[in-house]
Amino acid sequence: KNQVEQSPQSLIILEGKNCTLQCNYTVSPFSNLRWYKQDTGRGPVSLTIMTFSENTKSNGRYTATLDADTKQSSLHITASQLSDSASYICVVSGGSGGYQKVTFGTGTKLQVIP
Amino acid sequence: DGGITQSPKYLFRKEGQNVTLSCEQNLNHDAMYWYRQDPGQGLRLIYYSQIVNDFQKGDIAEGYSVSREKKESFPLTVTSAQKNPTAFYLCASIRDRQRDGYTFGSGTRLTVV
Repeated sequence: KNQVEQSPQSLIILEGKNCTLQCNYTVSPFSNLRWYKQDTGRGPVSLTIMTFSENTKSNGRYTATLDADTKQSSLHITASQLSDSASYICVVSGGSGGYQKVTFGTGTKLQVIP
Repeated sequence: DGGITQSPKYLFRKEGQNVTLSCEQNLNHDAMYWYRQDPGQGLRLIYYSQIVNDFQKGDIAEGYSVSREKKESFPLTVTSAQKNPTAFYLCASIRDRQRDGYTFGSGTRLTVV
């Protein structure tokens, strides 16, 4: 069964500090992995997308890494801001056939406090 | 600016009623999706459409119906057969599933009263 597990479930950090969110998956065969940011009551917004051959990708203060061998990804947030408070969702696409299965993680809820 | 518009933002449904959630996109994307989000769970796929006049059931299609008469529009009807419809509903579209991220709408929160 394809699964995407994220940790921690929730996290509180001080403004200006760094943090790292984890995503482990069992989706196979793997196609790509995306990280999304979802503000409360809003739709998710794409941060990064990585394919099998990519092991790091940055988007401003967000840096995602991918280890396709261990099936792990991380999202590192540098110099956190209050506006980073949101849920961060890991999404993995994969599978064979004409339609690829997309599996969503349950998200990590990040709260940045002053 | 291109994007996806969902309406209404909040919707209240009485027991036994059908309600329709609107999703419109001006991104010229062929593929559109409906997801349901419940607390503590990942998004679950209800229906998807890869082209006009064609749609497929997702993982939790029971109690829902869709249509895709126009490329821009993919409305979702929550029927009375859906026993637990209270949730946050998200519509999404994508241009290239290999290269792009999904573009999501801002969601509709449906509550049964």
